[in-house]
Amino acid sequence: KAGVTQTPRYLIKTRGQQVTLSCSPISGHRSVSWYQQTPGQGLQFLFEYFSETQRNKGNFPGRFSGRQFSNSRSEMNVSTLELGDSALYLCASSPGLFQETQYFGPGTRLLVL
Amino acid sequence: GENVEQHPSTLSVQEGDSAVIKCTYSDSASNYFPWYKQELGKGPQLIIDIRSNVGEKKDQRIAVTLNKTAKHFSLHITETQPEDSAVYFCAAPPGGNAGNMLTFGGGTRLMVKP
Repeated sequence: KAGVTQTPRYLIKTRGQQVTLSCSPISGHRSVSWYQQTPGQGLQFLFEYFSETQRNKGNFPGRFSGRQFSNSRSEMNVSTLELGDSALYLCASSPGLFQETQYFGPGTRLLVL
Repeated sequence: GENVEQHPSTLSVQEGDSAVIKCTYSDSASNYFPWYKQELGKGPQLIIDIRSNVGEKKDQRIAVTLNKTAKHFSLHITETQPEDSAVYFCAAPPGGNAGNMLTFGGGTRLMVKP
């Protein structure tokens, strides 16, 4: 079975721009979660989607948003980029919704200049 | 919400020695505790997990122990090898119906010297 895939792998943007990141979960998995990883804050939960509905949201500003499609693929969007948004953005998928094993993708490394 | 603390932040061992990483969590309702290994340039990879109905789980050289009363769990790696060098993260979910979200510890950089 193919693992979680994320595109693009690397991205460079400038302040004020917006960015969209994509995640394809493991086949058959219906839950997709997003995390931000930075050296200072570590791994922080952004949000989780299941059956096209946002189920949980972390403590991030409204500039961070996401969605999930009927095929379980997910996108996250960051608007009005700030320098502090530079991070590795990780997507994880799970078969179901409650405390199930999460499998991570390789991440998208975003650099904001 | 859940708070997870992980120690030590760095750990250096000689090849063949054992390594132990410890985590504490705050939410007594948590009942799922995974450990992830992250190598440079890659996403976290699940190496072992434990649920609260057992106190210990082992998979070859890796074991995890859980003490629910004290709210801590530990990762044990025996006969370490250079390829075990990586950053290790523990995690726990908040209790209640919070989906699959995880709160991660700060990570432990393990260095295995040949």
